Amino acid sequence: EPEVTQTPSHQVTQMGQEVILRCVPISNHLYFYWYRQILGQKVEFLVSFYNNEISEKSEIFDDQFSVERPDGSNFTLKIRSTKLEDSAMYFCASSAREADTQYFGPGTRLTVL
Amino acid sequence: AQKVTQAQTEISVVEKEDVTLDCVYETRDTTYYLFWYKQPPSGELVFLIRRNSFDEQNEISGRYSWNFQKSTSSFNFTITASQVVDSAVYFCALSEAQGGSEKLVFGKGMKLTVNP
Repeated sequence: EPEVTQTPSHQVTQMGQEVILRCVPISNHLYFYWYRQILGQKVEFLVSFYNNEISEKSEIFDDQFSVERPDGSNFTLKIRSTKLEDSAMYFCASSAREADTQYFGPGTRLTVL
Repeated sequence: AQKVTQAQTEISVVEKEDVTLDCVYETRDTTYYLFWYKQPPSGELVFLIRRNSFDEQNEISGRYSWNFQKSTSSFNFTITASQVVDSAVYFCALSEAQGGSEKLVFGKGMKLTVNP
């Protein structure tokens, strides 16, 4: 069964450093998303991406964040200058169509020291 | 604005008990979708069900059943004869179809512990 994959599973970085989180969505899906979950809290929407551009972003998704689909398979989230409060689990998701079921990857746990 | 409320934060039951997880939502759209996801201790988010706002039929899948009532804006989830493997955090989520927004808005989650 096709699934969303994410790498790395755990990333530790120093405050102020740049990180890139990688995702491979399900191959025939067209809509891509990033969410984050601070430990013990609810899952929060960051950004949605369709047709090579951002379709929606939340207030959390400020200028420090960017997304890219550099090739036909990868979807990346970049945090330019990490802060302590960026420590969270980051989930990538994809769906085949608009408002369709979103399937989530296993997550990348980001720890900012 | 979209909002999902899971009033229960944590429930503990003994194996074979039935348990119902409550979910109440708010939306101004007439077309929307409701979801339940399971997050086991390993951390991934596992899709359980998707319901659209025009389909109020209850659904049963094995030991799982869902009760969707638009009149009370609720989408409750019942696990019958719970098992230890059901122990997880369960999230209810809402997606509005109108206005071009595809984002999921999640509730705070409900941690279910099933004890042997």
